[in-house]
Amino acid sequence: DADVTQTPRNRITKTGKRIMLECSQTKGHDRMYWYRQDPGLGLRLIYYSFDVKDINKGEISDGYSVSRQAQAKFSLSLESAIPNQTALYFCATSGYSDRDPDTQYFGPGTRLTVL
Amino acid sequence: AQSVTQLGSHVSVSEGALVLLRCNYSSSVPPYLFWYVQYPNQGLQLLLKYTSAATLVKGINGFEAEFKKSETSFHLTKPSAHMSDAAEYFCAVTSGGSNYKLTFGKGTLLTVNP
Repeated sequence: DADVTQTPRNRITKTGKRIMLECSQTKGHDRMYWYRQDPGLGLRLIYYSFDVKDINKGEISDGYSVSRQAQAKFSLSLESAIPNQTALYFCATSGYSDRDPDTQYFGPGTRLTVL
Repeated sequence: AQSVTQLGSHVSVSEGALVLLRCNYSSSVPPYLFWYVQYPNQGLQLLLKYTSAATLVKGINGFEAEFKKSETSFHLTKPSAHMSDAAEYFCAVTSGGSNYKLTFGKGTLLTVNP
């Protein structure tokens, strides 16, 4: 089984709808991240969390919110989806106490289309 | 502040030819550098990383990269391209330690022609 899983893998929705993307990990990592990938722009950080009680904004957090329900679960919500939020979304994890704390491990991604 | 520039959004090589993907970074502190690969319809997979040990870093699938502080570069190479190397490649930088922030380049799409 994959260490970092994301659901759903694909989602098509309409403008104004509320959407939640979910991420789960079995790596035992304390740090979790949400990124957005757009063609030609690379990956940009939306939110990150160092532990269940610690949530921080990344460089493009407007229009998004997150919830860290447990050490292993980190959800990203679009409160009112708009077309320019159409993108590929990735969850990633890293472990502060790992032998390799700087390496981030990525999920398979969620392709979101907002019509 | 830290940043990454990947020169060439698209690189095309013939099978068996040298692969060279360029990455230059900017960092106010000694950097940790990474190359990730993204195969079609998949997430990012770590190829290799530099974390202040040996400047020539070997990764998976025959790739390697050399950290050159004087040139602020971390170019990715592979002596002989294989069709299975076709993917998008991302260079990323962080300042290491307790710093969470991984800054990515915009990616280079590698095409391998038969």
